[in-house]
Amino acid sequence: GEDVEQSLFLSVREGDSSVINCTYTDSSSTYLYWYKQEPGAGLQLLTYIFSNMDMKQDQRLTVLLNKKDKHLSLRIADTQTGDSAIYFCAETSHMDSNYQLIWGAGTKLIIKP
Amino acid sequence: SAVISQKPSRDICQRGTSLTIQCQVDSQVTMMFWYRQQPGQSLTLIATANQGSEATYESGFVIDKFPISRPNLTFSTLTVSNMSPEDSSIYLCSVKGGDDTGELFFGEGSRLTVL
Repeated sequence: GEDVEQSLFLSVREGDSSVINCTYTDSSSTYLYWYKQEPGAGLQLLTYIFSNMDMKQDQRLTVLLNKKDKHLSLRIADTQTGDSAIYFCAETSHMDSNYQLIWGAGTKLIIKP
Repeated sequence: SAVISQKPSRDICQRGTSLTIQCQVDSQVTMMFWYRQQPGQSLTLIATANQGSEATYESGFVIDKFPISRPNLTFSTLTVSNMSPEDSSIYLCSVKGGDDTGELFFGEGSRLTVL
């Protein structure tokens, strides 16, 4: 079946940029997402990108998509302590009644002072 | 957007017992999703609960173990039956947003520990 892979941990210093990477196998993937889960909370959509885009920027967040390599990344500029969370990569190729996301295991972002 | 409330937020259960998790949404939705989240593992879809029909279960999940109710368009329950320590996990309720982004809204989760 389809798969989404991401590393489990990333440690960065406060003020540095964080880059969280994700690879996927679904060649028909059309929508790719980054969700954020803060401690004790449910997941919340952070940003998304359509497969016909290479990049999307939203304030401190930059999403890069390399369709050829099936690689998605999330860059957080000027990482703050409030960015400490688990970041999930997810993708889908269906928006109809067969809608289902394929999820990564989540990358825990640890901020060092 | 959708606001989702889940109860209980956490519980400690004895082996062999069953626990029902409730999910309340502040708006009417067609599909509600139940997920299991285990540390270091991908978020796993258990089933899709549609109002007025039987829930659709994913591979590896069966109705006898995870019975689901969907009495109306704003509410659903998931029961974890005959629990074992392997069922210790966070269970998340989710609904799909109404726009074309495919955004999912999640409850805060129910953390179950089975002793």
